[in-house]
Amino acid sequence: GEDVEQSLFLSVREGDSSVINCTYTDSSSTYLYWYKQEPGAGLQLLTYIFSNMDMKQDQRLTVLLNKKDKHLSLRIADTQTGDSAIYFCAERKGGSYIPTFGRGTSLIVHP
Amino acid sequence: SAVISQKPSRDICQRGTSLTIQCQVDSQVTMMFWYRQQPGQSLTLIATANQGSEATYESGFVIDKFPISRPNLTFSTLTVSNMSPEDSSIYLCSVEEGDNGYTFGSGTRLTVV
Repeated sequence: GEDVEQSLFLSVREGDSSVINCTYTDSSSTYLYWYKQEPGAGLQLLTYIFSNMDMKQDQRLTVLLNKKDKHLSLRIADTQTGDSAIYFCAERKGGSYIPTFGRGTSLIVHP
Repeated sequence: SAVISQKPSRDICQRGTSLTIQCQVDSQVTMMFWYRQQPGQSLTLIATANQGSEATYESGFVIDKFPISRPNLTFSTLTVSNMSPEDSSIYLCSVEEGDNGYTFGSGTRLTVV
């Protein structure tokens, strides 16, 4: 299997919460990232979490890390149509400067 | 965080020709990366480019096909040589910024006809 796995699609109603999940395989990961890519644009760093943290909150974004299960999630509260994009999970393994990306989750927000 | 200007943003090229993509960073950075992103796929690392040394290519990518220059700490180019339709993709440059993660250029959408 791939090093970083994500579901490919998520559809939510405007105003609801979105939860995007990610699993990774390397227990030595030091940083875990969430990136957003809008159509025709590069990747924008949304947030990141150190591997020694369980949770990080930044305005509407909440990142949860379960290191035992190697599971990372991104919760977007009060999802808006402007949140429609592809969301990439990435890990940076211990001793490496090269991140490994998942295939991205396409978030579709409908009225 | 750093700001990266990537050019061109898109191009349509004839097979057999070459295209050079440029990335200019507004600050000095040590590590620059070049990625390929195909529809529905993850980002695939092509090579790591550090100033003053040869680029390090990932498995499946070779210098003759994807020559890279890194003349200083703020600039890099990637050339896609002798293009075929299979090279149609989005190409992205990226820099490493410590705790700020990785910053990306806006991408070059390449179509080979």
